[in-house]
Amino acid sequence: DGGITQSPKYLFRKEGQNVTLSCEQNLNHDAMYWYRQDPGQGLRLIYYSQIVNDFQKGDIAEGYSVSREKKESFPLTVTSAQKNPTAFYLCASSPGLTPYNEQFFGPGTRLTVL
Amino acid sequence: QKEVEQDPGPLSVPEGAIVSLNCTYSNSAFQYFMWYRQYSRKGPELLMYTYSSGNKEDGRFTAQVDKSSKYISLFIRDSQPSDSATYLCAMSGYNFNKFYFGSGTKLNVKP
Repeated sequence: DGGITQSPKYLFRKEGQNVTLSCEQNLNHDAMYWYRQDPGQGLRLIYYSQIVNDFQKGDIAEGYSVSREKKESFPLTVTSAQKNPTAFYLCASSPGLTPYNEQFFGPGTRLTVL
Repeated sequence: QKEVEQDPGPLSVPEGAIVSLNCTYSNSAFQYFMWYRQYSRKGPELLMYTYSSGNKEDGRFTAQVDKSSKYISLFIRDSQPSDSATYLCAMSGYNFNKFYFGSGTKLNVKP
């Protein structure tokens, strides 16, 4: 059963802590993405990766870090430097730079800072 | 100016109505156009994907792309309460490494 999984579904963080959100895909997609969604707002791109061991900053990368050591995995770390981390985080993947570049999303992780 | 503009709504219609959702964009290099449905607290679900101009139909859903006007539409026929969700448009281009999203239109279909 192909798809994108994110864990955990809900995450609570104390101020000053780093937390890591997991994203795994078994679609054999080259490209992976992290978005942040705030209530009533659209998606904002945090980081994206077109290929293993390479990634680029999106529009709101400050306070976040990523790694892409495996094709199927793209974890996101929310660091203590992110001043307003409470949000809904969405991971997505797409085939990459091909003529048919559909993007698929995971179920999301809701992060709350206590 | 945003790359993609979408009316946030909310749009409220009676059950059975035809719904029209729209996005406009500014980048003529966009070639791939997507519509997503997002239920509250869930990840977006890909509804329709179209390449270049034209129409695409899938059941009660029809996606239209007019590249000359930089305008895309999603039509929902015989709308159901289960269609109540936020609808996001997204687009990209050949050799683009990012997708550009509208802010989403919230739809409410009343029984």
